[in-house]
Order: sequence, then structure tokens, then C-alpha cells
Amino acid sequence: NAGVMQNPRHLVRRRGQEARLRCSPMKGHSHVYWYRQLPEEGLKFMVYLQKENIIDESGMPKERFSAEFPKEGPSILRIQQVVRGDSAAYFCASSPLRGSGLRTDTQYFGPGTRLTVL
Amino acid sequence: AQKVTQAQTEISVVEKEDVTLDCVYETRDTTYYLFWYKQPPSGELVFLIRRNSFDEQNEISGRYSWNFQKSTSSFNFTITASQVVDSAVYFCALSERGSQGNLIFGKGTKLSVKP
Repeated sequence: NAGVMQNPRHLVRRRGQEARLRCSPMKGHSHVYWYRQLPEEGLKFMVYLQKENIIDESGMPKERFSAEFPKEGPSILRIQQVVRGDSAAYFCASSPLRGSGLRTDTQYFGPGTRLTVL
Repeated sequence: AQKVTQAQTEISVVEKEDVTLDCVYETRDTTYYLFWYKQPPSGELVFLIRRNSFDEQNEISGRYSWNFQKSTSSFNFTITASQVVDSAVYFCALSERGSQGNLIFGKGTKLSVKP
């Protein structure tokens, strides 16, 4: 059973370009979370999606960042007009159940995408 | 407010020593979940354990054991007879019932096990 897949593993962009990060959840999982790990900091929640729905985007920066999880295909985290401060590791996690109350389930993480902005 | 504190930034031990990684959490929720994840030098995040707030029973898995104490809001992780392969950053995380399941992470403890 394949784990959470993320690609690319490493992405280099120049300031002002767009970065697109992809995440395919584990088979049978329909809930996707994105987290960001900045240097010298822990992991911070960004957004929680189900298929075709953004459930919680309270951790997303207000500008330049967007996420989607279409009916078909991987979840995409898009960063427009990247700046040096966007350089970080971006992790995707998936779980089979809604993350709420007694049905909270474990999130399994992908290998991450390391974004470097030159 | 919810918070996870891992006071130990870095720990260095010699192989075969026992080591305990501390985790203290804050939450107003009565129902919550605690996790430990391992991030080896290769960078991926590996799930180790999940514990819910109803279950204070300690758990042992091979050389790993976890001590959950609600009275002190702590969820400590002990590695017995450490090995070089245990070298990694270990993260403690909290998920509250009132949230959407989002994980709140501590800043991690970097464990170095020397041969």
C-alpha cells in the first residue's frame, strides 16, 4: 500500500515565479492536510481539505497561497510570486477520517517538498 | 490556547544509554489526542504513536515507551538502549476535539546518538 506521495521532492524557483506542490494521499484516504516547516521552527498547519472542499484554511497566509483538492487527481498547494521567505519544507498528510471529535484519526505524512527560492 | 512545548532542543547520548524526551501540552479541551513523530536526517515524518485523552495507560513498543500524565499535562517518550539509528528530530503534537484535527506541533527535540 503506497504511502502519501509528494512531488517534486525538491523545487527551486526564482523570486516572482510560481510554485506548485502536489500531494497524492494514501489509498482510501480522502482528507488532506498541508503543513509548512520553516528553518529553525516546528511544523505549522496551513490548510485542511477534502475532495472539492476547503474545510479549514486558518493557517494559510492571506495572499499568494492557495490550495485545492479536486475530485480527480492530487491535491495542489500553489504559491504565486514566491519570495525568499517562502523557502521551507512543505509536508502533506492524509487521513481516512474527518479530524473531529472521537473520529479523529492519525495523519500520515509524505516525504515533503523542499522549496528553495533564489 | 493550545500549545506544545518540547523544552529540550538538542540531546546527545552514547549508544545503549536510555533517553527521555519531554513533551508538555496546554489545551482547554477535555478530549484531545497526542502524537509523536520522528523525522530522521532523510527528512520524512514517521508516525510513532497516538494517544487519546481518555487513556492514560502507558505504552511500550520494543525499545520505545510513552508516559502520559494528565495531572502534569505531559506525554514523555523514552528510548531504552538507544541506537545510532535513533538519531533524528522527534516531534510531539496535539490535536483537539474542537479543531478540525489540525496538529499543533512542538518545536522538536534533536536526538544524536553517538557510537
